[in-house]
Parts: sequence; structure tokens; C-alpha cells
Amino acid sequence: DTAVSQTPKYLVTQMGNDKSIKCEQNLGHDTMYWYKQDSKKFLKIMFSYNNKELIINETVPNRFSPKSPDKAHLNLHINSLELGDSAVYFCASSQDRPPTFGSGTRLTVV
Amino acid sequence: AQRVTQPEKLLSVFKGAPVELKCNYSYSGSPELFWYVQYSRQRLQLLLRHISRESIKGFTADLNKGETSFHLKKPFAQEEDSAMYYCALCGSEKLVFGKGMKLTVNP
Repeated sequence: DTAVSQTPKYLVTQMGNDKSIKCEQNLGHDTMYWYKQDSKKFLKIMFSYNNKELIINETVPNRFSPKSPDKAHLNLHINSLELGDSAVYFCASSQDRPPTFGSGTRLTVV
Repeated sequence: AQRVTQPEKLLSVFKGAPVELKCNYSYSGSPELFWYVQYSRQRLQLLLRHISRESIKGFTADLNKGETSFHLKKPFAQEEDSAMYYCALCGSEKLVFGKGMKLTVNP
């Protein structure tokens, strides 16, 4: 069973479109995260939710909106996609520390 | 503020050579430090955490509070160790990563 699963694994879309990436964890963890890994492999936290409540919101454009319908899910919706949004997005979850990561979603904006 | 510095971006060695991947941190509280590894196009996996003081896949890392370092070491590198390695620090609510280092072990 996959502990932290993200869908889709690959996403190619045009500039200006709106897209969502879904994340689900079956570990019973209270905290979930979204990280962005850019072309230089640099990892940066974007959001963190604890029990469906937003606890970390780094400097991320308003076009990015996380949604947590329940504590097992944290979806990432992106409006008006830009070329610079192309990256690998990793979901993660934790109960205490350290987080367990999903396999990533490679987003390519053309 | 939490900060993790991995001063080298690339390290290339031959199989059987020792490796040391450097990590320095700054954090005002008591840090929790980790090493994550990412094999080609795979998910990030936890390799080591400083509190467990264990050896995984032959790797060890010791927290040196005086030097604020948590260097990752392996005495004899293997080809399968080729990957991206990230040092990470957990303080308050978030995990902060260093910029990563690509290790290449040549045959």
C-alpha cells in the first residue's frame, strides 16, 4: 500500500490553465505538506496543514490554493498557470517527525 | 531562523572511495536533523535522523553542536549510492532543506 500517493504523476498543460494535484495519505498522520522542487533540485516548503488547518503558508503566489477536505487529503489547486510553475511538486505527511514523501508530480507548463 | 547549508553541489568519486557530504545549520533552538536521499526520479526517502544514531546503507552522520554540522559519511562508496542527498532541519512546525548535493559514484 502506498503511504503517500499523489495524482497525477505527470501533468503537461498550457499557460493560463487551472489545474489540481491530489494527495492522499493512509498513515493516519495529522500534518500534511506541499513542497516544490525546482529545476535546480532545490526543495522549498509551500504549505503545511495540521488537522485540516493551515499552519504554514510560505511566500507563494495567490494562484496556489491548498484544500484539505479531511486530514488524509491535501490537494493543490493552481490557477492561471505560468511557465515558472514548471517543477516537481511533492506532498508529504508526518506525525511528529520526519515527514514521509509522495513520489512527486512533474508539472510542465508550455 | 532555520537555515541549512550544503556547501557543495556536486561530488564525484570512484567506487570504494570514502565520501563526506557536508551540512551546516543555524537554528536558535535544539535542532532535529535528517538526511534524505533521492534516487533518480524517485521520491525523497529518509536516510538518517540524528537522534537515532544509526547506520543506514553504511552511512553515518554525527551532530556536532559546536560546529553546527551534521556531515554524512560513508567509508566505501558504492555505485548504487549515486543520488541527490538533502540535509534537513526540523524546527517549530516546518522541515527546511538544504539545496542538495549530487553524489556520483563511478565504477
